[in-house]
Amino acid sequence: QKEVEQNSGPLSVPEGAIASLNCTYSDRVSQSFFWYRQYSGKSPELIMSIYSNGDKEDGRFTAQLNKASQYVSLLIRDSQPSDSATYLCAVNDGTSYGKLTFGQGTILTVHP
Amino acid sequence: EAQVTQNPRYLITVTGKKLTVTCSQNMNHEYMSWYRQDPGLGLRQIYYSMNVEVTDKGDVPEGYKVSRKEKRNFPLILESPSPNQTSLYFCASSFAATGANVLTFGAGSRLTVL
Repeated sequence: QKEVEQNSGPLSVPEGAIASLNCTYSDRVSQSFFWYRQYSGKSPELIMSIYSNGDKEDGRFTAQLNKASQYVSLLIRDSQPSDSATYLCAVNDGTSYGKLTFGQGTILTVHP
Repeated sequence: EAQVTQNPRYLITVTGKKLTVTCSQNMNHEYMSWYRQDPGLGLRQIYYSMNVEVTDKGDVPEGYKVSRKEKRNFPLILESPSPNQTSLYFCASSFAATGANVLTFGAGSRLTVL
């Protein structure tokens, strides 16, 4: 069974700080990596995707991928209380395109 | 408005009573998928469909059936529900399944099996 692991948290950071969320995956052939955000009682929404090693930036969000070490991370700069949510890491192995495996999610709380 | 619509949003039923959760998308997406979400376990994939008449098992298919007769609809069928199928269910779709998996999720269906 392919596994995607996240620290469930909760991760608590002060407003304005950098929040760092981490995800490791077991399958070396994984090709596509995603971060979804889920507010309490709502459905997940995509915030970042990354496909190659290195960093990808989008506004206050930066995704980092290291395939050799099998981890992907999400940095949130200038964290805001509105960033408080559960962040889900998802991985697709590229051989079975339809199968997307999610981690259990990390709860982030940004306090004023 | 582009969306994935699930029904019912909330359902309480009893063990063994067949039920169907409907899912419909209006974005002409090829790919559709069902997930269940349980505390501490995250989202787990039940079934997915790459296109009409093409379906395949996810990680937790036991006790569920699906069909994809039309591109827009992907119902989830519980032939004989059991209490361990009490969960929050999400339907999702994307334009193509070729590794992109940029999913649009429905609002979720909370199912309780007594």
